[in-house]
Amino acid sequence: AQKVTQAQTEISVVEKEDVTLDCVYETRDTTYYLFWYKQPPSGELVFLIRRNSFDEQNEISGRYSWNFQKSTSSFNFTITASQVVDSAVYFCALREGAQKLVFGQGTRLTINP
Amino acid sequence: GAGVSQTPSNKVTEKGKYVELRCDPISGHTALYWYRQSLGQGPEFLIYFQGTGAADDSGLPNDRFFAVRPEGSVSTLKIQRTERGDSAVYLCASSRTGGDTEAFFGQGTRLTVV
Repeated sequence: AQKVTQAQTEISVVEKEDVTLDCVYETRDTTYYLFWYKQPPSGELVFLIRRNSFDEQNEISGRYSWNFQKSTSSFNFTITASQVVDSAVYFCALREGAQKLVFGQGTRLTINP
Repeated sequence: GAGVSQTPSNKVTEKGKYVELRCDPISGHTALYWYRQSLGQGPEFLIYFQGTGAADDSGLPNDRFFAVRPEGSVSTLKIQRTERGDSAVYLCASSRTGGDTEAFFGQGTRLTVV
């Protein structure tokens, strides 16, 4: 069965610090997709990244970077030089051949000025 | 519209009543999804439509929950005989074709059953 674990329930850092959000997943399939979403206080889930299981290249987008490692079934997300606007709940999610997303429980990130 | 629109944004209902939650997907998106998010949890899948048909309804918790998408655009999630445990945020998402395309989420409907 598919499962996504985000072991960090809450993280609090001071602005400008780097922070890494962990995501570990379980799946039996060889073809799958991994996602990160941001949920600000407004409640809407904002798409950040999609990765397929055949592409293990790490990705960088501005201050955001993602480290996908199939050997450890992890898809970690790092924010460099964090800002107060980064405060939100972040969800990691997995999709196999079926269409539905399986989400982790989320990590609440608070960036303090 | 520009994004996925869900109405109402908030709904308070009494236990035992019937409620309908509406989702307007992004124009042209053939895939539509409903998720339920309880406080402090990640969203949980309820049902997926491809066009007018429910391609996967395995997440519906019981037969009090039903969803339709009669013209392949707007969808309505219907809950009969509501229970306090149904209180949650109901999220709708749409994507262009399903598969590996990105899903865009609405802001959700917060349902409170009192």
